[in-house]
Amino acid sequence: KAGVTQTPRYLIKTRGQQVTLSCSPISGHRSVSWYQQTPGQGLQFLFEYFSETQRNKGNFPGRFSGRQFSNSRSEMNVSTLELGDSALYLCASSLVPYNEQFFGPGTRLTVL
Amino acid sequence: GESVGLHLPTLSVQEGDNSIINCAYSNSASDYFIWYKQESGKGPQFIIDIRSNMDKRQGQRVTVLLNKTVKHLSLQIAATQPGDSAVYFCAENESRASGTYKYIFGTGTRLKVLA
Repeated sequence: KAGVTQTPRYLIKTRGQQVTLSCSPISGHRSVSWYQQTPGQGLQFLFEYFSETQRNKGNFPGRFSGRQFSNSRSEMNVSTLELGDSALYLCASSLVPYNEQFFGPGTRLTVL
Repeated sequence: GESVGLHLPTLSVQEGDNSIINCAYSNSASDYFIWYKQESGKGPQFIIDIRSNMDKRQGQRVTVLLNKTVKHLSLQIAATQPGDSAVYFCAENESRASGTYKYIFGTGTRLKVLA
């Protein structure tokens, strides 16, 4: 069974731009969560989607948003990028919420 | 590969010895705990989990201990191998009556296995 895939793997943007990251969960998994990982803050929860609905949200500004499609694939969007948004963005999928999560390799975003 | 944390506490262990990685969690209402392993350039990988109605759980070469009194979690790795070198995170999760929850991750410990 294929694992969680994330695209793109690497991305370079400039301040003020916006970016969309994509996550394809493991087949059959309906819950997708997004995390931001930085050396200073570690892993921080962004939000979780289940059945196309956002169930949980972390403490991030409204510039960070996401959505989930009917096939459980998810995208997250960051608008008006800031230098501090440079991070590894990780997606994790699980069968249902509150279940074992499987992480993708992440998308490394660099904001210049 | 990428570094997930440049200033993480580091535990150096001789190959074949046992490793103990500790984690203090913050929320006394947390009822589900997970240990993850993250190798350079990869996403976190689930190792073992434990629910708050247990104080010990064993897997293959790994044991997780939970002490709810002092809000402490530990991961024990038996017969540590070079492939165990990675960053290890604990995560806590509080399920709420509303059905929502949120994972909170520790900052991580870097395990270095010495040959």
